[in-house]
Amino acid sequence: AQSVTQLGSHVSVSEGALVLLRCNYSSSVPPYLFWYVQYPNQGLQLLLKYTSAATLVKGINGFEAEFKKSETSFHLTKPSAHMSDAAEYFCAVSYNNDMRFGAGTRLTVKP
Amino acid sequence: DAMVIQNPRYQVTQFGKPVTLSCSQTLNHNVMYWYQQKSSQAPKLLFHYYDKDFNNEADTPDNFQSRRPNTSFCFLDIRSPGLGDAAMYLCATSRGGDLIEQYFGPGTRLTVT
Repeated sequence: AQSVTQLGSHVSVSEGALVLLRCNYSSSVPPYLFWYVQYPNQGLQLLLKYTSAATLVKGINGFEAEFKKSETSFHLTKPSAHMSDAAEYFCAVSYNNDMRFGAGTRLTVKP
Repeated sequence: DAMVIQNPRYQVTQFGKPVTLSCSQTLNHNVMYWYQQKSSQAPKLLFHYYDKDFNNEADTPDNFQSRRPNTSFCFLDIRSPGLGDAAMYLCATSRGGDLIEQYFGPGTRLTVT
């Protein structure tokens, strides 16, 4: 069975600081991995996806994630946080049209 | 712009009164999903349609039903809403096959009084 674990339900950074949101996956087959962002009272927006091509994936809004098979990780990073990045972030793994989400990480950005 | 549309955005219903939530898509995607998301939790898949094939999650209560009359529309019916069914309901679509990323609508927030 596929699953993801997000380490840290809340992350707080200062504006301009590095953002690092952690995600580890469990999959018996090569996984498809995703990061989604959710703003209050909105649906989920796809940030980026990994589908077994390049291990470093660039997404929207300056985010990127690196697939590390040896560490079963797919951490999300952004070099410099902006106030508008404050939101809930979900890591997800998909297999055979079945997507499973992590519990989410709430990112707070302090001025 | 191609998109996933959910109506209404906010729905209030009474305990035990049937309610229907609507989702439509202009993406011409094969797969449509319904998720339930409670406060500060991850979305939980209720069921999905791959074309006309209905796939129910094992732990989805019988109180939740779905209909997909055509490619563009999918409905979520809650036959007898309880207070525990108050949540955000998210509709999503994907093309299917190798194109598996899901595109989400804005959600319908359901309140049960």
